Amino acid sequence: TQLLEQSPQFLSIQEGENLTVYCNSSSVFSSLQWYRQEPGEGPVLLVTVVTGGEVKKLKRLTFQFGDARKDSSLHITAAQTGDTGLYLCPLGTALIFGKGTTLSVSS
Amino acid sequence: DTAVSQTPKYLVTQMGNDKSIKCEQNLGHDTMYWYKQDSKKFLKIMFSYNNKELIINETVPNRFSPKSPDKAHLNLHINSLELGDSAVYFCASSQHGATDTQYFGPGTRLTVL
Repeated sequence: TQLLEQSPQFLSIQEGENLTVYCNSSSVFSSLQWYRQEPGEGPVLLVTVVTGGEVKKLKRLTFQFGDARKDSSLHITAAQTGDTGLYLCPLGTALIFGKGTTLSVSS
Repeated sequence: DTAVSQTPKYLVTQMGNDKSIKCEQNLGHDTMYWYKQDSKKFLKIMFSYNNKELIINETVPNRFSPKSPDKAHLNLHINSLELGDSAVYFCASSQHGATDTQYFGPGTRLTVL
């Protein structure tokens, strides 16, 4: 059975704070994607990481892929209210999305 | 232009009724999906079609029947609706397979009374 865990499940912070969310799997990811789902909309792809140890930056968002390709982290610097949403990292070919991390950023 | 569209956006109906949700993608993708997202935000795959052929059918009651008339459309028909079917249903598409970027529709919020 393939397991996917994201933590924390809920995170509520103030604008300007930094945060990190995590994605862990019992399986090796061939590639790992992070999606963000804003309230009332469908998920949208943020980034795909492919190589173990890879780091990608998207403005204030930094994505890191674990060396063993079984985990990943997303770090947000100086969070803004527009970062509010559900962050998901699906387990690729199995299409397992899980519950994600619900982030709420308040002003 | 909308890449993946779903209709209707909202659907309120009584238990026991039959209803359909339509999905269309204009991206030229080979693969389309239906997901169910429950009240706890758990997003679960229901079906996946590749070039009109069913390739994934998760443990879903047979009251749910997907139909793909062509590569650009994947509709979901639900018979004998139950209270537990209340959820947001998302259609998505990807170029080839599951590891490609998935493009999601706006969702259909189904409420069964």
